[in-house]
Amino acid sequence: AQTVTQSQPEMSVQEAETVTLSCTYDTSESDYYLFWYKQPPSRQMILVIRQEAYKQQNATENRFSVNFQKAAKSFSLKISDSQLGDAAMYFCAYMRTGTASKLTFGTGTRLQVTL
Amino acid sequence: GAVVSQHPSRVICKSGTSVKIECRSLDFQATTMFWYRQFPKKSLMLMATSNEGSKATYEQGVEKDKFLINHASLTLSTLTVTSAHPEDSSFYICSATSDRGRTGEQYFGPGTRLTVT
Repeated sequence: AQTVTQSQPEMSVQEAETVTLSCTYDTSESDYYLFWYKQPPSRQMILVIRQEAYKQQNATENRFSVNFQKAAKSFSLKISDSQLGDAAMYFCAYMRTGTASKLTFGTGTRLQVTL
Repeated sequence: GAVVSQHPSRVICKSGTSVKIECRSLDFQATTMFWYRQFPKKSLMLMATSNEGSKATYEQGVEKDKFLINHASLTLSTLTVTSAHPEDSSFYICSATSDRGRTGEQYFGPGTRLTVT
């Protein structure tokens, strides 16, 4: 079974600084997707960034980028120029490709952004 | 992006009663919908996967007779918590997809907070 591990329950970053959230996963599949979702206090799940395992290039979305290391099964999220609105729970998630495959979530990292 | 709604956003019910939560895809046809449960400060736990027109597939440990899921149309799935008890109090989230795994895109509803008294 696939597992997703987030070893940092909480992280803190100063506004305008950079922070990296860690995620590792375990799978025997070669083709899959990895995601980072943000859950603010409203509890609405928001997709931050998505990576396809067959792509070697790291995904980037504005201030958000990932460091995808397929051999090491590592998928970290870097947030640059942190903003107060980035404060939220961040969940790393794995999905095997195929017919509407389900998401497996990590335990989450609570990010605090300080002035 | 695609929009998924849930109704109600909050519900309080008495122990022993049943409560229905609706999940609707507003601007796309959802071939598959997922139901999650989230305890305070915890991650999302998948309860079941629902494909339009067929029976839901429940995760291990989830009671299918307790959590009835119906996906009768391409835009609506319902979760009915039958004979609810205080331990069923939780935050329930649905998600929907139309791409049959091609892109991995899922769209989440805003969630429903259930409190059983």
